[in-house]
Amino acid sequence: QKEVEQNSGPLSVPEGAIASLNCTYSDRGSQSFFWYRQYSGKSPELIMFIYSNGDKEDGRFTAQLNKASQYVSLLIRDSQPSDSATYLCAVNMRGGFQKLVFGTGTRLLVSP
Amino acid sequence: SAVISQKPSRDICQRGTSLTIQCQVDSQVTMMFWYRQQPGQSLTLIATANQGSEATYESGFVIDKFPISRPNLTFSTLTVSNMSPEDSSIYLCSVKDGDQPQHFGDGTRLSIL
Repeated sequence: QKEVEQNSGPLSVPEGAIASLNCTYSDRGSQSFFWYRQYSGKSPELIMFIYSNGDKEDGRFTAQLNKASQYVSLLIRDSQPSDSATYLCAVNMRGGFQKLVFGTGTRLLVSP
Repeated sequence: SAVISQKPSRDICQRGTSLTIQCQVDSQVTMMFWYRQQPGQSLTLIATANQGSEATYESGFVIDKFPISRPNLTFSTLTVSNMSPEDSSIYLCSVKDGDQPQHFGDGTRLSIL
């Protein structure tokens, strides 16, 4: 079992729709969770992080964490073509000394 | 957040040679990390660069192949030694200061012929 799992996609949504990106992790003791966006040929850019169960909202982005189910998701409302990118889920695992374990990423395509 | 400068941004090298990548931060940071991103894949942590001491390497990465230095709280280098085509990747420096999340430099795109 991979430590952090994501569906590689591509996830295709029309402009204006809600994009839902999912991530599961193996270590129940994981402490913190991050979503990075990576455009082709660019480095990852942090867009959301969440530490506690529940939802965290920032503009069009909402991160959702369910530690009991070991599940974290990212919702993008009113998706725009400029949101087309690969979204990387990263987890700081128990005893990880601040290092991150990344999923393989989900490619999102938003069509006009 | 701290501004990260990574050099070179890209290079094409001959097999058997070595390349040193630099990561400079505009302010002191607690932690610095080096990642590798092979073509079409996600990020894999190579090592944590420790200020004034040997780096902490992840499974599958060794100091002889990827020597790392961190002489102070704002600078680190990663050397890719005795390169082969399998080392063709993007190499990324990231930093973390206190409770702030990690963020990344622009990366070094390395191709080995």
